[in-house]
Amino acid sequence: AQKVTQAQTEISVVEKEDVTLDCVYETRDTTYYLFWYKQPPSGELVFLIRRNSFDEQNEISGRYSWNFQKSTSSFNFTITASQVVDSAVYFCALSEDQTGANNLFFGTGTRLTVIP
Amino acid sequence: SQTIHQWPATLVQPVGSPLSLECTVEGTSNPNLYWYRQAAGRGLQLLFYSVGIGQISSEVPQNLSASRPQDRQFILSSKKLLLSDSGFYLCAWRTGLSTDTQYFGPGTRLTVL
Repeated sequence: AQKVTQAQTEISVVEKEDVTLDCVYETRDTTYYLFWYKQPPSGELVFLIRRNSFDEQNEISGRYSWNFQKSTSSFNFTITASQVVDSAVYFCALSEDQTGANNLFFGTGTRLTVIP
Repeated sequence: SQTIHQWPATLVQPVGSPLSLECTVEGTSNPNLYWYRQAAGRGLQLLFYSVGIGQISSEVPQNLSASRPQDRQFILSSKKLLLSDSGFYLCAWRTGLSTDTQYFGPGTRLTVL
């Protein structure tokens, strides 16, 4: 069965600090996709990144970076030099299907508060 | 480009009243469509998904139902709302091709009193 765990319920950091959001997943499939979404106070989920199981290269996009490690079943998200606008709930998600419905299984989210 | 709309944005309904939430997608054809619910302070729970017109799959037994009368329209309904139906309802779409990313709408915040 698939499962996504985000053990950090809430994190507070002071502006300009770096912060890492943890995500651990469970799946029996060899082919799967991992995602991160941001949910600002407005509520809409904003897609951040998608990574497939065969691509373990870490990715950097501006102040955001992602560390995918299959050996530990983790897909962690780091924000460098955090800003107040980064305050949001961040969700990690897993998808196993490549065809059909391709349902997403979400973690319970991590609420990040960046203090000015 | 593709856009996804949901309405209403907010809704306050009494227990026992009916419900109809609408989701429409523009700029794509034959999308897979999804309804999720997010209870206060919790993660997202998949309620329904649809791979085509009239094709609905339910993930969670409940007093809600979904319909897809048109290719890019997805409707979430209830005949009689319960207090436990309160939450934030999100619609999402993805293409039916190899792309696996789901894109979400702005959501509807439902309060059942």
